[in-house]
Amino acid sequence: DVKVTQSSRYLVKRTGEKVFLECVQDMDHENMFWYRQDPGLGLRLIYFSYDVKMKEKGDIPEGYSVSREKKERFSLILESASTNQTSMYLCASSWDFRDGDRYGYTFGSGTRLTVV
Amino acid sequence: GQQVMQIPQYQHVQEGEDFTTYCNSSTTLSNIQWYKQRPGGHPVFLIQLVKSGEVKKQKRLTFQFGEAKKNSSLHITATQTTDVGTYFCAGRRHSGYALNFGKGTSLLVTP
Repeated sequence: DVKVTQSSRYLVKRTGEKVFLECVQDMDHENMFWYRQDPGLGLRLIYFSYDVKMKEKGDIPEGYSVSREKKERFSLILESASTNQTSMYLCASSWDFRDGDRYGYTFGSGTRLTVV
Repeated sequence: GQQVMQIPQYQHVQEGEDFTTYCNSSTTLSNIQWYKQRPGGHPVFLIQLVKSGEVKKQKRLTFQFGEAKKNSSLHITATQTTDVGTYFCAGRRHSGYALNFGKGTSLLVTP
């Protein structure tokens, strides 16, 4: 069974801490994404990557950075966590855009981050 | 970014009733996808529509893509309690860019 695995299901961090959210996929997908999900706001794209070491900003990149050193791993970094970054973070992966999204995005189970 | 609007935000139906959620984009979409998220779960891909006017069915679910490729709908016939969850549409403005998700429609089905 194909999988996108996020390292933590629940995380509590203090304001100002540097936070790493890890995501690993085992499907050899080219594309990987980070979304955050908040009640009433749906899923908002933070960053995505279409290849190793490549990244593109999404709609809400402020306060975040990403790293993709290997094809299977995509990390989201909160440089200095703030309370407004308390949210559910969802990682996803997909085949190359040229393949027309044959199977859509595969999402991980999410990390619920609380910043206190 | 690109706006994908979805209505209604919530829908509460009795089991056996039909349900429809609508998705509208401010720009022409290259394709549209639909996802379902069960309570406490993560979004799961349901289907993709690519062609203008396309209609696809999955058992009791019918998906449509508008002629202008700016709107889409998901219709569930005779809802069941297993249909409970949030349904998201997601569109791509052009190839080579990530999906933009609507805010979703939360469906509650009572027996």
